[in-house]
Amino acid sequence: LAKTTQPISMDSYEGQEVNITCSHNNIATNDYITWYQQFPSQGPRFIIQGYKTKVTNEVASLFIPADRKSSTLSLPRVSLSDTAVYYCLVAYTGFQKLVFGTGTRLLVSP
Amino acid sequence: DTEVTQTPKHLVMGMTNKKSLKCEQHMGHRAMYWYKQKAKKPPELMFVYSYEKLSINESVPSRFSPECPNSSLLNLHLHALQPEDSALYLCASSQGGDWEQYFGPGTRLTVT
Repeated sequence: LAKTTQPISMDSYEGQEVNITCSHNNIATNDYITWYQQFPSQGPRFIIQGYKTKVTNEVASLFIPADRKSSTLSLPRVSLSDTAVYYCLVAYTGFQKLVFGTGTRLLVSP
Repeated sequence: DTEVTQTPKHLVMGMTNKKSLKCEQHMGHRAMYWYKQKAKKPPELMFVYSYEKLSINESVPSRFSPECPNSSLLNLHLHALQPEDSALYLCASSQGGDWEQYFGPGTRLTVT
């Protein structure tokens, strides 16, 4: 059974780095992980995607360790506007399933 | 144009009504998705269309009927819904199964 879990909530302050972890079991070598940001009453918005080691773009980094049992979204220097819910999405190709993580509510304070 | 549009934004329907949700994208994407999202929960995959053919149906009740008339358009036909079907219905599209998904703003459905 594909199961993808995240911490329920995290608190941070402006300018800090935030790391959000997604735990996923039974993930195969080519299964990819995608992270999304969602504001209230809006659709999720793409942040970053990868399937191994480290990926970086202009807004975030994604770290996937060798055992592939988890992945970490890193947001450098968060601002108030980063307050949102963050979801990982795992594409379990073996199960032919797309499973969103449980979601992490990030609150950034001044 | 990187936008996925969904209509209507809000829909209230009775349990005996028939209604449809519409989703449109003009990015040339070949995969389109329907998700259901309850309050404070993650989106749950309902259907996936790939090249206009239904490729994944996550054991969704038959009162939800998807349709993909062409590569840009995705519909979700609703009939005899239950109050517990009230949720935000999200549409998404992607270039393919391994590509990032672009989500629409969703349709807020209330079943009375």
